[in-house]
Amino acid sequence: GNSVTQMEGPVTLSEEAFLTINCTYTATGYPSLFWYVQYPGEGLQLLLKATKADDKGSNKGFEATYRKETTSFHLEKGSVQVSDSAVYFCALRNRGSTLGRLYFGRGTQLTVWP
Amino acid sequence: EPEVTQTPSHQVTQMGQEVILRCVPISNHLYFYWYRQILGQKVEFLVSFYNNEISEKSEIFDDQFSVERPDGSNFTLKIRSTKLEDSAMYFCASSEATGLAGSASYEQYFGPGTRLTVT
Repeated sequence: GNSVTQMEGPVTLSEEAFLTINCTYTATGYPSLFWYVQYPGEGLQLLLKATKADDKGSNKGFEATYRKETTSFHLEKGSVQVSDSAVYFCALRNRGSTLGRLYFGRGTQLTVWP
Repeated sequence: EPEVTQTPSHQVTQMGQEVILRCVPISNHLYFYWYRQILGQKVEFLVSFYNNEISEKSEIFDDQFSVERPDGSNFTLKIRSTKLEDSAMYFCASSEATGLAGSASYEQYFGPGTRLTVT
């Protein structure tokens, strides 16, 4: 089946620290992979995506590389800021599946201290 | 920037009562979704809706659930007789298109969620 497993939180870092949030997946087809972010009081927003193996998605200093051999899509940022404090969700969508359904992980709460 | 809105932000109801959760998708979007997240668990797909009918539903979306687009702007999720285990955050999402035919370029835009508490 389709599922996403991501690193349990919460993650607490100091400003300018390096961030990694691990995400692995299983999929019946050839998925597209996504990271969503949810800031307090807001909806989930697409942070970045990758649609095929070895693609790197990037946005706002965050990066994730689609690794088919390890079925992973780990989120990284070289220097986090207090404003990055949010919940991060890894997700997949099977290109061959019906109508754009997303499969999410549990979310990882990130707190960045000044 | 256009956004998906949801009301109410928090709903408390007694077991067995009916609830309707409301969503206003982005105006030119054609595809609509409901997801939910029980506290501490994954965000789970419930249902997708297009052209005034359900496109796909998960095993969670049983006869107690229904969706409707009663007018040109609202998209609602109704739970007929709530159970304690329906307590969750419910997210509405909308999309211009679904990303079929090999394209993954159509983003789903999410609302801020409605927290449903069943007592």
